Amino acid sequence: GDSVTQMEGPVTLSEEAFLTINCTYTATGYPSLFWYVQYPGEGLQLLLKATKADDKGSNKGFEATYRKETTSFHLEKGSVQVSDSAVYFCALRPTQGGSEKLVFGKGMKLTVNP
Amino acid sequence: SAVISQKPSRDICQRGTSLTIQCQVDSQVTMMFWYRQQPGQSLTLIATANQGSEATYESGFVIDKFPISRPNLTFSTLTVSNMSPEDSSIYLCSVGGGLRGLANNEQFFGPGTRLTVL
Repeated sequence: GDSVTQMEGPVTLSEEAFLTINCTYTATGYPSLFWYVQYPGEGLQLLLKATKADDKGSNKGFEATYRKETTSFHLEKGSVQVSDSAVYFCALRPTQGGSEKLVFGKGMKLTVNP
Repeated sequence: SAVISQKPSRDICQRGTSLTIQCQVDSQVTMMFWYRQQPGQSLTLIATANQGSEATYESGFVIDKFPISRPNLTFSTLTVSNMSPEDSSIYLCSVGGGLRGLANNEQFFGPGTRLTVL
């Protein structure tokens, strides 16, 4: 079945460091891909998305490119801030079956120190 | 985006009891979903709440354990029945489906209900 594998943490970085969180997926067809973020004490928020191959999603300095050839959707940010400390989830929405459901990776906790 | 509220935000319950969680959205939405996030784990879809018909449950989840109501396009409830400590989780409501400015493919999540079963 459809699945998402993402880098597991926790990861601790210093402010202004470069961030990459790896995410690969297994799915038939062309799923939509998402990154969600969960800040401490808050609910899940959509960070960015891509709906077709080679699309690049971006928001708040974060970027991820939909790579069909490597079935990946890695999240990157050039310079992290303390406020980026959160748990990051990669997710996909399958194309088949007409379902709207999301399949999530396990999440990665990021802590950014000043 | 949609503004979603959940009640209660957290609760501590005794084994064998039931808890009903409410999800309210500030606009009409086609799709409402219930997810579970067990400690240290990812989110798992429990069911899709269908307005006017029975919920659609994912493999491993049954109506007797997780009855769901969806009386209208802005409200849903999830009940966790006959609870055991294994039910301790965060339960999240989400919405999607392309109505009222929500783009297709997007889902928005409520703040979650943190349940602890003793």
